[in-house]
Amino acid sequence: NAGVTQTPKFRVLKTGQSMTLLCAQDMNHEYMYWYRQDPGMGLRLIHYSVGEGTTAKGEVPDGYNVSRLKKQNFLLGLESAAPSQTSVYFCASSYPGLATGKNIQYFGAGTRLSVL
Amino acid sequence: RKEVEQDPGPFNVPEGATVAFNCTYSNSASQSFFWYRQDCRKEPKLLMSVYSSGNEDGRFTAQLNRASQYISLLIRDSKLSDSATYLCVVIVSGGYQKVTFGTGTKLQVIP
Repeated sequence: NAGVTQTPKFRVLKTGQSMTLLCAQDMNHEYMYWYRQDPGMGLRLIHYSVGEGTTAKGEVPDGYNVSRLKKQNFLLGLESAAPSQTSVYFCASSYPGLATGKNIQYFGAGTRLSVL
Repeated sequence: RKEVEQDPGPFNVPEGATVAFNCTYSNSASQSFFWYRQDCRKEPKLLMSVYSSGNEDGRFTAQLNRASQYISLLIRDSKLSDSATYLCVVIVSGGYQKVTFGTGTKLQVIP
């Protein structure tokens, strides 16, 4: 199994450009998440999805949009990139639930984005 | 007050030492707890779940103290390969199971 795959791995954008980050998982997980990680800030949740066709805002949603048209894919869009969006972006997926083995998050390898 | 707090470290320990990290959480409705490990410039990976009764996996022991609202991670006989950042994760159940990561504790094991 590939697990969680993120594309691209690296990207450099100019201020105002747009782009879409793709996250794909092959584990049939219901939940998917987009995080950003900045030095000293830890992982911050941007948006999440609890199932196909659903999305919700996380802690830092401004400047980002998401879509989950298929269960296995979760897309993160930047409509007009800003230098403040320079970060490492991680996608994750999980099975919901409180039983043993549930709610373990599996992460993609990350996308390193620089906005100049 | 942050929902999940960790001492950022770094903890610099010699090989073979025992080291312990704590992670405090503020929401008493928290129900699931985990420790993740993150190597430099890599994605976080699950290290172990944390159960009320405590659990052990080789040199690693995790404990939960609900009364004081913290979880702990003990690493015995530290190896150079244990150098990483350790993230605690707390999940609050509800309509959506909210996942909150701590900012991580950095461990550096020194030869």
